[in-house]
Amino acid sequence: DAKTTQPPSMDCAEGRAANLPCNHSTISGNEYVYWYRQIHSQGPQYIIHGLKNNETNEMASLIITEDRKSSTLILPHATLRDTAVYYCIARPERGGSNYKLTFGKGTLLTVNP
Amino acid sequence: NAGVTQTPKFRVLKTGQSMTLLCAQDMNHEYMYWYRQDPGMGLRLIHYSVGEGTTAKGEVPDGYNVSRLKKQNFLLGLESAAPSQTSVYFCASSYPGQRDHYGYTFGSGTRLTVV
Repeated sequence: DAKTTQPPSMDCAEGRAANLPCNHSTISGNEYVYWYRQIHSQGPQYIIHGLKNNETNEMASLIITEDRKSSTLILPHATLRDTAVYYCIARPERGGSNYKLTFGKGTLLTVNP
Repeated sequence: NAGVTQTPKFRVLKTGQSMTLLCAQDMNHEYMYWYRQDPGMGLRLIHYSVGEGTTAKGEVPDGYNVSRLKKQNFLLGLESAAPSQTSVYFCASSYPGQRDHYGYTFGSGTRLTVV
């Protein structure tokens, strides 16, 4: 799996958009970018994933640069409940032994009132 | 639909004692995983299983054993607990046949303290 780099922490005001960056300069052509988050003391929760096109679901949007070396997770209107550690992971979507997720230390997003 | 259920939620063990952590999923997922999480660190994979009757070592397997006798259950055993195994343990499952993604479903965790 490609190594990802995220800032250790970020702050965001409630109601504003939270933009969480992730660098994955060594990503392979078959590796997707996945985002999970972990709210304090809970198990991680899947947010979104994508290959090269921008993706949007009910939780967030994922913007992947054209060269695929970096991406940004966007929470359009952050709430206090979005305070969590956000993990960016690059790995193949399916096949072989590459179904394991490798977690780094992620970004602690703190949403302030 | 309960998802992934872990039991127990909390446990305190004495050094040298043994115990089994149970993970049960009701989503018919093929793959199951055990992770541990220590303060200030990300999750580290202990063992995983790609189907009933199969298990494999992850990143930090020493001191743990696992079994997958039934598709819905994945057991993590500590034969002789050590203080270094004090951690929060998370179980997860996933289904390789999902067309859209390999999203994992995690349990709520087991907080284990070894004294």
